[in-house]
Amino acid sequence: GNSVTQMEGPVTLSEEAFLTINCTYTATGYPSLFWYVQYPGEGLQLLLKATKADDKGSNKGFEATYRKETTSFHLEKGSVQVSDSAVYFCALSRAGNTGKLIFGQGTTLQVKP
Amino acid sequence: DADVTQTPRNRITKTGKRIMLECSQTKGHDRMYWYRQDPGLGLRLIYYSFDVKDINKGEISDGYSVSRQAQAKFSLSLESAIPNQTALYFCATSADMYEQFFGPGTRLTVL
Repeated sequence: GNSVTQMEGPVTLSEEAFLTINCTYTATGYPSLFWYVQYPGEGLQLLLKATKADDKGSNKGFEATYRKETTSFHLEKGSVQVSDSAVYFCALSRAGNTGKLIFGQGTTLQVKP
Repeated sequence: DADVTQTPRNRITKTGKRIMLECSQTKGHDRMYWYRQDPGLGLRLIYYSFDVKDINKGEISDGYSVSRQAQAKFSLSLESAIPNQTALYFCATSADMYEQFFGPGTRLTVL
């Protein structure tokens, strides 16, 4: 079936460090891929998305490339800030316009000054 | 005002009680969803609705029911709460398959 696997957290980095959070997926067809972010005490919000192979989603300095050959959608940021501390969720939406999201387990990022 | 609101924000209840969680949205979206979040498991879909007359089960619907009272309102009920339903519950809305907008969540504790 369809599934999403993220790297285990928590990830602890110093401010201005480079961030990578790995995400791989299993899906039939051609899903759309997403990264959502959850700040403490809040609901999830969309960070970026990619709807077809080789697309790069980007927002707020974060980016991720849809790699069909490796079934991956890794999240990267060149220089993290304390304000990036949050839980990051990788998700996929199955082909067929169902709109249902399948989430990974989430990766907690803590950025220290 | 928030586009997606959930009430209550926190609830403590006892095993066997019936509980209703409510969700309202002002985004004008037809699609609404209920998820639960558990540590280490991410979010899992309980029910979803693509319009007022359309209700569908998600991957973990057992022990839950929903009501879509209007385009803007989607309620989740636990008919007889049990401790393993202790979780953070999120409502979400969408206009299409590409982005969902989440409420702030309801933290439910079943004793």
